[in-house]
Amino acid sequence: AQSVTQLGSHVSVSEGALVLLRCNYSSSVPPYLFWYVQYPNQGLQLLLKYTTGATLVKGINGFEAEFKKSETSFHLTKPSAHMSDAAEYFCAVSGNQAGTALIFGKGTTLSVSS
Amino acid sequence: ETGVTQSPTHLIKTRGQQVTLRCSSQSGHNTVSWYQQALGQGPQFIFQYYREEENGRGNFPPRFSGLQFPNYSSELNVNALELDDSALYLCASSGLGSYNEQFFGPGTRLTVL
Repeated sequence: AQSVTQLGSHVSVSEGALVLLRCNYSSSVPPYLFWYVQYPNQGLQLLLKYTTGATLVKGINGFEAEFKKSETSFHLTKPSAHMSDAAEYFCAVSGNQAGTALIFGKGTTLSVSS
Repeated sequence: ETGVTQSPTHLIKTRGQQVTLRCSSQSGHNTVSWYQQALGQGPQFIFQYYREEENGRGNFPPRFSGLQFPNYSSELNVNALELDDSALYLCASSGLGSYNEQFFGPGTRLTVL
């Protein structure tokens, strides 16, 4: 069975500050890991993914995440927050095969103040 | 390249009615997955279709059913609607060799009164 825990349902940062959104996962098989962003009244957009290889993955809009197997974590970071980063962020895990279900966390709302 | 599209955008139904939601997958994708996202929650997997066959199902009752057509588009049908079925329904498509990267549509917002 697989599961995802996102620590902190709401994170607030100032514009220009570091963004850190936490994600821990549980998986009985080597996982694929994903971060998605959702803007109000929209679907999900993929920010980045880890499948195999390099554990530090870079995504769109300046985001990156590091897969740490020993800590079962996949935290999302961005060095400098922008107002446009305000949105809902979801971490997801799946098995390491195409066509398996994505298991999502409950999400973290990121607020950015000027 | 056309992305994933869903129709309708919004829908209001009453308890006990039936509803059909539609999804067109991204060009070249042969796998479609459906998710239910309740307000304030993460998406939950309903089921997946691959080459017109159900290829996995989440913890949803049989009144949630689906179809996939030869052009890989898909339908989600929900019978005997309940108030708790009110949610955003998301469709996602993916292709072979994509490391399970799923591309999501904008969703259909279903309200059950």
